[in-house]
Amino acid sequence: GQQLNQSPQSMFIQEGEDVSMNCTSSSIFNTWLWYKQDPGEGPVLLIALYKAGELTSNGRLTAQFGITRKDSFLNISASIPSDVGIYFCAGHKLREYGNKLVFGAGTILRVKS
Amino acid sequence: DADVTQTPRNRITKTGKRIMLECSQTKGHDRMYWYRQDPGLGLRLIYYSFDVKDINKGEISDGYSVSRQAQAKFSLSLESAIPNQTALYFCATSDLQDKNNEQFFGPGTRLTVL
Repeated sequence: GQQLNQSPQSMFIQEGEDVSMNCTSSSIFNTWLWYKQDPGEGPVLLIALYKAGELTSNGRLTAQFGITRKDSFLNISASIPSDVGIYFCAGHKLREYGNKLVFGAGTILRVKS
Repeated sequence: DADVTQTPRNRITKTGKRIMLECSQTKGHDRMYWYRQDPGLGLRLIYYSFDVKDINKGEISDGYSVSRQAQAKFSLSLESAIPNQTALYFCATSDLQDKNNEQFFGPGTRLTVL
């Protein structure tokens, strides 16, 4: 099935550093969603993007919906230990996928304190 | 209280056993989903339902079945569990009125098949 290419697969960074991850696809999407999964929990929505070119922030997180509608990135500024977890991108396009989301494989973030 | 709950949270079973995972939600959403998470593979859709008694296959439905007898409940069954069904299972819901299909996830069920 349709897959999103999410990179990097994992990151091990120093506390205080900025983090960047992205998702790309060969298909266009109408919506991009970014989720975070804490250890032992289900994914929780961080940011939703609805328009090409849209740049949205949520605290230290910033995400952008690519102009081509085929990609999105998520930045985390000044990382802290509680940023640890798995970050998933997800795309939605009503006409092709009905009411389903397509997920990336996830980026595992580990922070050195 | 959590809006989407799953039971059990952890289960260890043996090959060939029948297993049922339960999902309940208090969000009033019509749509419910079952996903499986494996390391490096992200979330893969098993089955989904848009209304009571509506059942649709996802990308990896083989070996699984589901039941949606009430709006708030969506159960996943493994008729005869096998070791490669060892995984983390998530239930999710979304609102019929939400054209962007934002989904809300339960806390997950960790299933181990020996």
